[in-house]
Amino acid sequence: KQEVTQIPAALSVPEGENLVLNCSFTDSAIYNLQWFRQDPGKGLTSLLLIQSSQREQTSGRLNASLDKSSGRSTLYIAASQPGDSATYLCAVGDYKLSFGAGTTVTVRA
Amino acid sequence: DGGITQSPKYLFRKEGQNVTLSCEQNLNHDAMYWYRQDPGQGLRLIYYSQIVNDFQKGDIAEGYSVSREKKESFPLTVTSAQKNPTAFYLCASSLGGQAYNEQFFGPGTRLTVL
Repeated sequence: KQEVTQIPAALSVPEGENLVLNCSFTDSAIYNLQWFRQDPGKGLTSLLLIQSSQREQTSGRLNASLDKSSGRSTLYIAASQPGDSATYLCAVGDYKLSFGAGTTVTVRA
Repeated sequence: DGGITQSPKYLFRKEGQNVTLSCEQNLNHDAMYWYRQDPGQGLRLIYYSQIVNDFQKGDIAEGYSVSREKKESFPLTVTSAQKNPTAFYLCASSLGGQAYNEQFFGPGTRLTVL
């Protein structure tokens, strides 16, 4: 059974600092990895999808890397802003996704 | 606007009652999913459907039931057999059952048992 871990559970940084969020998974035979953002009491917003044949994906200030051999993905958010404060979730799988518990980020103004 | 809608936003259930959560999408997606989210935990898959009139159990299907009579609709019923139904329920959809398809989520329904 796929286990997905996100450490740390919470992170607080000053505005302008780069964010580094980690995701690890136990079964490297994944089809894709997806990063989401969740605001309190809201649904999930898809940020980036990395297919198993890819090493990274970029969208604006966001960059996600995937290393299947080590079972890790990292989400980088450049020049953080208070609006980036949210919980970030990673999920791996095929049409069935296994989720981590998330990292709650606070960006201090 | 294309998207996924869930209703109601908040739902209260008395012990012994069945309740049904609505999920509708106008994205023309073939696949739809139901997840449950508990505080401090990742999302867990309840049921999924890759095509109309077909659905499969996820990891925590006990006490839940679904139907998929229309492509755009995937309602979830929480039955009285679900022992701890208080949670945040999220519906999602994707283009098809292909492995690389991105999943998109609705705004969620928060269910509370009184």
